[in-house]
Amino acid sequence: AQSVTQPDIHITVSEGASLELRCNYSYGATPYLFWYVQSPGQGLQLLLKYFSGDTLVQGIKGFEAEFKRSQSSFNLRKPSVHWSDAAEYFCAVAGAGNNRKLIWGLGTSLAVNP
Amino acid sequence: KAGVTQTPRYLIKTRGQQVTLSCSPISGHRSVSWYQQTPGQGLQFLFEYFSETQRNKGNFPGRFSGRQFSNSRSEMNVSTLELGDSALYLCASSPGGATDTQYFGPGTRLTVL
Repeated sequence: AQSVTQPDIHITVSEGASLELRCNYSYGATPYLFWYVQSPGQGLQLLLKYFSGDTLVQGIKGFEAEFKRSQSSFNLRKPSVHWSDAAEYFCAVAGAGNNRKLIWGLGTSLAVNP
Repeated sequence: KAGVTQTPRYLIKTRGQQVTLSCSPISGHRSVSWYQQTPGQGLQFLFEYFSETQRNKGNFPGRFSGRQFSNSRSEMNVSTLELGDSALYLCASSPGGATDTQYFGPGTRLTVL
């Protein structure tokens, strides 16, 4: 069965510091991988997604993620965090086929210290 | 294009009542998915409708049901409400389904007393 694990429930970083949020998935074939962000008072928004091609994917707001098949990981990174990046981040996976549906991790809450 | 809209935004009900939530997708999107979001469980998939047919279903009891109309608008209904149904219910639309970018509405905050 598909599953997504986000090992870090909560992370605090200082503004300007680098960020890496971890995501591990379980799926038999190459999945569709997504990162979404949920900011306070705002809806969920797609940051980036991967299905094939270059394993380093660029997204909005300066975020990037790297797909590593050998590690079943799709970690999200940002070289310099801004205070406005404080939010909840969700990793999700979808398989191909007629019964595909998005499976979500439990999320990582990011706090940014000034 | 207008975004995904959900009504009502807030709802307070008592145990045993039923509730209907509405979702209007982005124009042209044929897939509408519903999620329950709670602090401890994250986002849990309820069901997906595509062209008026339920295409996928999550692991929720039969008290949770939905439908989609010919204009792609969708409703979900929860009957015999329980305290544990208190949650943020999110609707997402996309052109074709789970592998497309999901566009989320602001959600309906349901409180069951």
